[in-house]
Amino acid sequence: AQSVAQPEDQVNVAEGNPLTVKCTYSVSGNPYLFWYVQYPNRGLQFLLKYITGDNLVKGSYGFEAEFNKSQTSFHLKKPSALVSDSALYFCAVRGTRGNNRLAFGKGNQVVVIP
Amino acid sequence: GEEVAQTPKHLVRGEGQKAKLYCAPIKGHSYVFWYQQVLKNEFKFLISFQNENVFDETGMPKERFSAKCLPNSPCSLEIQATKLEDSAVYFCASSRALPANYGYTFGSGTRLTVV
Repeated sequence: AQSVAQPEDQVNVAEGNPLTVKCTYSVSGNPYLFWYVQYPNRGLQFLLKYITGDNLVKGSYGFEAEFNKSQTSFHLKKPSALVSDSALYFCAVRGTRGNNRLAFGKGNQVVVIP
Repeated sequence: GEEVAQTPKHLVRGEGQKAKLYCAPIKGHSYVFWYQQVLKNEFKFLISFQNENVFDETGMPKERFSAKCLPNSPCSLEIQATKLEDSAVYFCASSRALPANYGYTFGSGTRLTVV
């Protein structure tokens, strides 16, 4: 079965500083990896995904993520954080073997301090 | 439309009452997924459909939960005899075909409060 670990509950970063949200995964077969963002009382908004190809994936709102197969990681990054990036971030994975569902991490609260 | 529409946004039920949630997937999307987000943000998979057929129901508490996706109607998730622990936000997602290639589009969720 697939699983995702997001080790930090909350990530605090000063506005303008680089932002990193960590994610490691476990999956059968090759991973399909996703990042989503959730604002208060809202649904999940898709940021980016890795299916195949370049390990560095660029997504919405200036976010990017790097797939590292040897470390089974897919950390989310943004070079310069904005206050409006404060939200809950979820990493999710699906494997090429087994069921069709996404497994989510527990989420990371990102707080960008003005 | 290009969004997954979930109704109602909020639902309050007394313990033991029935709750019914609706999800209209994006037109042309053949997969529908239901997830339950509980208080600590954990997402629990409930059930998925491929068109009107159940694709994977291994996450469903079958005693009280049921779901349908009928042609030309919104999909529905029904909870008979709600319990306090059913209080959560229920998200629906749809996908065009192979979810991994096309991604999942999530609705805004229905917040169910059981009192």
